[in-house]
Amino acid sequence: KNEVEQSPQNLTAQEGEFITINCSYSVGISALHWLQQHPGGGIVSLFMLSSGKKKHGRLIATINIQEKHSSLHITASHPRDSAVYICAVVRGATNKLIFGTGTLLAVQP
Amino acid sequence: DTEVTQTPKHLVMGMTNKKSLKCEQHMGHRAMYWYKQKAKKPPELMFVYSYEKLSINESVPSRFSPECPNSSLLNLHLHALQPEDSALYLCASSQDKEGKQYFGPGTRLTVT
Repeated sequence: KNEVEQSPQNLTAQEGEFITINCSYSVGISALHWLQQHPGGGIVSLFMLSSGKKKHGRLIATINIQEKHSSLHITASHPRDSAVYICAVVRGATNKLIFGTGTLLAVQP
Repeated sequence: DTEVTQTPKHLVMGMTNKKSLKCEQHMGHRAMYWYKQKAKKPPELMFVYSYEKLSINESVPSRFSPECPNSSLLNLHLHALQPEDSALYLCASSQDKEGKQYFGPGTRLTVT
């Protein structure tokens, strides 16, 4: 079983829809990252959070440390949001990232 | 400047070649990372440098040799690679070992 699980693995949405991607982890962490990767491209770091909630534009990330769960929400989705979204946790005192398998999001116009 | 740059963007090399990948950042970050990513898989950590010293080597074969000549620059020297080493090689940096990681665009390596 992976230490970091994401759901769903694939998601297709219509433009304008509200999207939620979930991440659950089974190890002790010091922080959690949400990353975005377009096909064939490099990785953009969207959020790093260790508690509560962060918002940037149409993106919102939340984390519940007790439940070992985080969500990434996209409001008013747009085709340019189509990408792979990856959850990665920072284990303990190291800055070693443990990656989830990613969620492939396709937003159709 | 919140950018991590990597060169080259693409590299094709034979199994007997020696080549190097370069990563640069000017954010004053003191931790730098090399990751390897195969198609449709998440990145895998290869090396971590902290304050220009190698702090993590994830049991990477010796045909990959990292080097951190100064706090802004990270190299990955490649020698006698195998076709299965073909992948996207990503560099990242962070303020320190606990900070948010910023990723470069990657070098797509093909070993023939």
